[in-house]
Amino acid sequence: QVQLVESGGGVVQPGRSLRLSCAASGFFFSSHTMHWVRQAPGKGLEWVAYISHDGSNSNHADSVKGRFTISRDNSNNTLYLQMTSLRTEDTAVYYCARDQSNSWCVDYWGQGTLVTVSS
Amino acid sequence: QSALTQPASVSGSPGQSITISCTGTNSDIGAYNYVSWYQHHPGNAPKLMIYEVSNRPSGVPDRFSGSKSGNTASLTISGLQVEDEANYYCNSFTSSATWVFGGGTMLTVL
Repeated sequence: QVQLVESGGGVVQPGRSLRLSCAASGFFFSSHTMHWVRQAPGKGLEWVAYISHDGSNSNHADSVKGRFTISRDNSNNTLYLQMTSLRTEDTAVYYCARDQSNSWCVDYWGQGTLVTVSS
Repeated sequence: QSALTQPASVSGSPGQSITISCTGTNSDIGAYNYVSWYQHHPGNAPKLMIYEVSNRPSGVPDRFSGSKSGNTASLTISGLQVEDEANYYCNSFTSSATWVFGGGTMLTVL
């Protein structure tokens, strides 16, 4: 069965960096576009970034552009989110999510990892 | 990348029907049929309920349906059940090759 397991969350000071990982299993990872989506405490879902199946295309939300970078390692079935210059408003649960394929929708989500940016 | 506009809350009684609207622009909902809807129970991962405006993934009851007119998409739930109580989010692909979510709608089943 499809599994997405995020890791790397924790408490970090403003201005510092953190890298999230998402280990994928149960499907052909290299065939799917992948996303990061976050939810701040008491807020709604916010799309963060996507990366194409082979890593050739990616895009990021304006709120994180220039600070966050999505990447993937298809040989190890792992998705990453490198986060730099973290701000308090980046505090959220970060979800790794699989795009269904050619539908621009997510059919599987991880359970999320909490990132808290606080001094 | 302004969020799509959804009502903050809707409510209905068991057995009734409700509709949640999602308003965007001609750069997102109005431009593409890549509109999806997600059900989110707090503490759980979101669940895909509708994709490409009106398609239901396998396992989603046919009580859930989606539609679109111009820049507004809608999710209709008929025959409301207690377990439908959750937060619902719409989502669309955009002309900037990004994604945008709605602000979310809390459905209460009275």
